[in-house]
Amino acid sequence: QSVLTQPPSVSAAPGQKVTISCSGSSSNIGNNYVSWFQQLPGTAPKLLIYQNNNRPSGIPDRFSGSKSGTSATLGITGLQTGDEADYYCGSWDGSLSGYIFGTGTKVTVL
Amino acid sequence: EVQLVESGGGFVQPGGSLRLSCAASGFTFSTHEVNWVRQAPGKGLEWVSYINHGGTTIYYADSVQGRFTISRDNAQNSLYLQMNSLRVEDTAVYYCVRGWAAAGRFDSWGQGTLVTVSS
Repeated sequence: QSVLTQPPSVSAAPGQKVTISCSGSSSNIGNNYVSWFQQLPGTAPKLLIYQNNNRPSGIPDRFSGSKSGTSATLGITGLQTGDEADYYCGSWDGSLSGYIFGTGTKVTVL
Repeated sequence: EVQLVESGGGFVQPGGSLRLSCAASGFTFSTHEVNWVRQAPGKGLEWVSYINHGGTTIYYADSVQGRFTISRDNAQNSLYLQMNSLRVEDTAVYYCVRGWAAAGRFDSWGQGTLVTVSS
């Protein structure tokens, strides 16, 4: 499928850990890199993870990425109130010759 | 500091045209790939188009293919998006984004410019 599926929402208490899944297919995640983006309310998205598990400079190691087969996962440990945001995965899709984003996940800190 | 500043958004009727611009600074624009990504009000992200550093490789989302044209002027450090035959569903904030689409390394984003298509 040329859609990346994410859970609509996840939540946890401060200090806890959350994981966000991203499910795709062989035309995208299965054969291409996965990136993750954070969008705080009212702001432009920001790159969190690229090439499956790499963090740009300035991104804390509380954020981690992994990929297995046609799925990927973003992990956030030591959850903070400032982590409340929408999170999107993304991957190149060879069948479309285009980039696709996931459906997005809202993280709520309880 | 890397900066991407979009302009040209506004209100347009269905079937109309609009040209977006993105002014880049703080890096060597001519050596970087750039993209347009949009976000409809209250919705998720949608990649629109990609152009490589020399303007020789271009990709479009199916939803805009044949209606939108991406281009760049490396001498002016600028990226453009010519949007024709606009539809109501093109209403969105349009972001200028630096990065190689195939790797998803979209490492710098502009603040966005709002395009509203309505009768």
